[in-house]
Amino acid sequence: DAKTTQPTSMDCAEGRAANLPCNHSTISGNEYVYWYRQIHSQGPQYIIHGLKNNETNEMASLIITEDRKSSTLILPHATLRDTAVYYCIVGPFSSGSARQLTFGSGTQLTVLP
Amino acid sequence: DAGVIQSPRHEVTEMGQEVTLRCKPISGHDYLFWYRQTMMRGLELLIYFNNNVPIDDSGMPEDRFSAKMPNASFSTLKIQPSEPRDSAVYFCASSSTSLGVYEQYFGPGTRLTVT
Repeated sequence: DAKTTQPTSMDCAEGRAANLPCNHSTISGNEYVYWYRQIHSQGPQYIIHGLKNNETNEMASLIITEDRKSSTLILPHATLRDTAVYYCIVGPFSSGSARQLTFGSGTQLTVLP
Repeated sequence: DAGVIQSPRHEVTEMGQEVTLRCKPISGHDYLFWYRQTMMRGLELLIYFNNNVPIDDSGMPEDRFSAKMPNASFSTLKIQPSEPRDSAVYFCASSSTSLGVYEQYFGPGTRLTVT
């Protein structure tokens, strides 16, 4: 799977949009971009995924650049409960065998009151 | 849907004792995963099942660990005998073929402490 690069940490004011970047310059044509987060002492939580079009769900929006070498996860109105480590993962939609979710170091997002 | 359910949430046991962790996946999901998370090693996949059949157990640390899935709504991870180095948070996750292998839904975890 392609390697991803994320900033170590970011701060965001409560109520403002949180924009979390991810670089994945070696992504291949059949690989999707997935985002997870892990709130302290909780299990990882799936957020969203996309291939090349922008995606939106009730939690967040995912913007993927046209060349697919980077993406941005947007939390439109961050709350204190969004404080977590956010992970960007790249991988195929399906595989002959299930793949282990390999989280890198991720981005620690701190939402400030 | 209640999501993935795990029990117990916390387990403290003495070295040498048997420990059984339990998981109920999301109804309709045909994949079930057991992970272990520690500060030192991060998130590690131990074993996963597809349609109740173990597919890959290469992540199981040693013979002290065993996992079963007797039906589509229940799985267990057993450690016998337990050792202090088994202390970790154990997560169960489920998914389905239609969702793709990277879209997994995790339970709250079981925090295991072996003294």
